[in-house]
Amino acid sequence: GDSVTQMEGPVTLSEEAFLTINCTYTATGYPSLFWYVQYPGEGLQLLLKATKADDKGSNKGFEATYRKETTSFHLEKGSVQVSDSAVYFCALRPPGGTSYGKLTFGQGTILTVHP
Amino acid sequence: DGGITQSPKYLFRKEGQNVTLSCEQNLNHDAMYWYRQDPGQGLRLIYYSQIVNDFQKGDIAEGYSVSREKKESFPLTVTSAQKNPTAFYLCASSMAGYSGANVLTFGAGSRLTVL
Repeated sequence: GDSVTQMEGPVTLSEEAFLTINCTYTATGYPSLFWYVQYPGEGLQLLLKATKADDKGSNKGFEATYRKETTSFHLEKGSVQVSDSAVYFCALRPPGGTSYGKLTFGQGTILTVHP
Repeated sequence: DGGITQSPKYLFRKEGQNVTLSCEQNLNHDAMYWYRQDPGQGLRLIYYSQIVNDFQKGDIAEGYSVSREKKESFPLTVTSAQKNPTAFYLCASSMAGYSGANVLTFGAGSRLTVL
């Protein structure tokens, strides 16, 4: 079945450091890929998405590129801020059918940014 | 503002009791979902509903029940048959139909603790 694997956390960085959170997936065909962010005590918010190979999703300084050849969707940000401290989830949605809401999530990566 | 409202935010239950978590959305979304979040395990799908009066089991439906009598509402009952109910429960919704633009919108979650 489909699966998503994220790098294990927690990740601790200083403010203005470069961030990479690795995400790889296993799926049939061309799934849609997502990054969601969860701030403490809150639900998940969509951060960015990509729906086909070589698409780059971007939002709030975060970027991720859909790499079919390496089945990856790594999240990057050039300069993190304290306010970026949160849990980040990589997720996929299988192509087609009626599975439009049935996402498969990675286990989440906790990011802590210190001043 | 449109969104998803979950209540209660915190709930304590004694063993052997059923509890119902409320989820209401005013986004005019057709589909609604319940996910369970446990530390280090990501999110797992409990139940989902694509239209009123219809719902399907997700990956971990045992010990849970739902109803979908109105488009706006999708309550989740955690029954006494659920052996390990302590978790963070997230409700989500989306437009129907498969489209790259259809993404999940999440509520703020309900934290259930069994005493």
